Amino acid sequence: DGGITQSPKYLFRKEGQNVTLSCEQNLNHDAMYWYRQDPGQGLRLIYYSQIVNDFQKGDIAEGYSVSREKKESFPLTVTSAQKNPTAFYLCASSPGGGSGSFNEQFFGPGTRLTVL
Amino acid sequence: DAKTTQPTSMDCAEGRAANLPCNHSTISGNEYVYWYRQIHSQGPQYIIHGLKNNETNEMASLIITEDRKSSTLILPHATLRDTAVYYCIVRAYQTGANNLFFGTGTRLTVIP
Repeated sequence: DGGITQSPKYLFRKEGQNVTLSCEQNLNHDAMYWYRQDPGQGLRLIYYSQIVNDFQKGDIAEGYSVSREKKESFPLTVTSAQKNPTAFYLCASSPGGGSGSFNEQFFGPGTRLTVL
Repeated sequence: DAKTTQPTSMDCAEGRAANLPCNHSTISGNEYVYWYRQIHSQGPQYIIHGLKNNETNEMASLIITEDRKSSTLILPHATLRDTAVYYCIVRAYQTGANNLFFGTGTRLTVIP
């Protein structure tokens, strides 16, 4: 089945440790996104990538880093510089490019990160 | 991007139509209205989008006022599985990455 996978669903880390969240898609989408969601809040954009080897900061990029070495993968690293890392992290992808079609975003199931 | 205003929460009886309003009074001529929903602890799911004409698909209908300053998402026969947060988003269509701003949305509760 085509889709977006995020693993693990729940992740616990000690304060001060870096942690990498994985996001893989087999939809052949050019664009990928990372969002953060806090309880009772909407989604906030962390980083996005329009194409391999390119990515842009979103609204709350501080304390996070990403890479886009492969079209299918867009891992997010939560660094120790992120002051409040405990949150629900969502990855998404969209066709992007110049396809001329509507760029619906497809979301993964999310990873709930808890920093102890 | 135009800002949207939605009620914080709404209830709807199971089997009845759920009408979710959205105000976007500063919408520009090239901006679309998108609706997504998020069931608890899952990723958001696309529902429907439109520019100025009313739209219908297997999930819902989207009614956009003639002046485009507001719209209504209609779930014709709400079921318990429609309980979710519904996001109204306004954004100009563009190629490349299509960043969407998800606000706090409307929490719809379908009551048995």
